[in-house]
Amino acid sequence: DIQLTQSPSSLSASVGDRITITCRATQGISNYLAWYQQKPGKVPELLIYATYTLQSGVPSRFSGSGAGTDFALTISSLQPEDVATYYCQNYNSAPLTFGGGTKVELK
Amino acid sequence: QLQLQESGPGLVKPSETLSLTCTVSSGSIGRSTYYWGWIRQPPGKGLEWIGSVYYRGNTYYSPSLKTRVSISLDTSNNQFSLHLGSVTAADTAIYYCARQREILYFGEISSPGYFDYWGRGTLVTVSS
Repeated sequence: DIQLTQSPSSLSASVGDRITITCRATQGISNYLAWYQQKPGKVPELLIYATYTLQSGVPSRFSGSGAGTDFALTISSLQPEDVATYYCQNYNSAPLTFGGGTKVELK
Repeated sequence: QLQLQESGPGLVKPSETLSLTCTVSSGSIGRSTYYWGWIRQPPGKGLEWIGSVYYRGNTYYSPSLKTRVSISLDTSNNQFSLHLGSVTAADTAIYYCARQREILYFGEISSPGYFDYWGRGTLVTVSS
């Protein structure tokens, strides 16, 4: 099975900061990677699929990059509503796997 | 707007079977290009994929749960179901149902992809 390792596991940043979360796969998954945002007490929501394609309605401050085994989610200017836990997901054939999550908080 | 709603017991006894149903509205589960999946999240922890079912009934399961899990479709009622047997306290979690986009490898090999619509989730506690 393909394992996904996210880093950092948590981060604290100020409003307006640029932040990057990384997701590393134990083997190549082409571009079959998605990112989800889960706000406290809420349901996960799809942010990005196919590594860099924004889901409809997602603000343009979110972007995805990478290929193969190394991927990243970047928020160009952190907003208060971005406080959440972010998960990457591999869908390069079953079994599907999620990263352990990155909790983003405001300083 | 597609909506998914989980239903089922919130409390299950150890060694028994956890059974949940996901009712889909404003969209047909019998339509191609989509899979229908279950994901769970233990309190305070991360997400775990349980399994997925295709509109034709093909299923994919997590290797760690494969011996205990079954997912099926009921197209007449636009529902799909999860059955997880021999539960223990470790199965206590919020259970989500979700729609998945179909991924085609080499233009013909179908596989479950990312989750684009989620249900609100239902907490299932395993306890005597």
